[in-house]
Amino acid sequence: DQQVKQNSPSLSVQEGRISILNCDYTNSMFDYFLWYKKYPAEGPTFLISISSIKDKNEDGRFTVFLNKSAKHLSLHIVPSQPGDSAVYFCAASAPGGADGLTFGKGTHLIIQP
Amino acid sequence: NAGVTQTPKFQVLKTGQSMTLQCAQDMNHEYMSWYRQDPGMGLRLIHYSVGAGITDQGEVPNGYNVSRSTTEDFPLRLLSAAPSQTSVYFCASSLGLAEGQQFFGPGTRLTVL
Repeated sequence: DQQVKQNSPSLSVQEGRISILNCDYTNSMFDYFLWYKKYPAEGPTFLISISSIKDKNEDGRFTVFLNKSAKHLSLHIVPSQPGDSAVYFCAASAPGGADGLTFGKGTHLIIQP
Repeated sequence: NAGVTQTPKFQVLKTGQSMTLQCAQDMNHEYMSWYRQDPGMGLRLIHYSVGAGITDQGEVPNGYNVSRSTTEDFPLRLLSAAPSQTSVYFCASSLGLAEGQQFFGPGTRLTVL
């Protein structure tokens, strides 16, 4: 049973517009959520995170929103740039973090000129 | 700092062969982990370590062994390779258990024939 779900395998957005990537989770024990970006033939790189005590976290062009009651988070990228084309993974961890990160399957974001 | 390094980058094995995937980090991180990524899937946790001399199983540990004799190194051993172990393997590290932001290596692409 997938505990972290990214239901859109791919998303195409025009350069300069907003990209919205969605993620749902089922495990109510998760208290820390992260977004990773991955280019082909490279390891994932950390993008932004949010603790369950917050509902929004911003870092430059990237904002993550958390809706705990809906068990849903989203990543907004504004404005989208060609270098943002990559696979984005949503990940979650439970208190203490000993069980590592639980990842979604990823969303391939394509920024079109 | 080199960050997290992995060797080899690519490896082809025959069914039944054994090998060790190397992982090293120079950030003095206590927590290290191994993930595998299969096509269309997120990353899944194989084994993790919270410090030298301490290891534990993740979600998909069967067929793999780990040890942690130093803080820096966390090798992953395939005991008797099977085609189902064809995957991309990522090593990651973080400062501590509760530190959700993990730093990933570039990955090892393994093919088992």
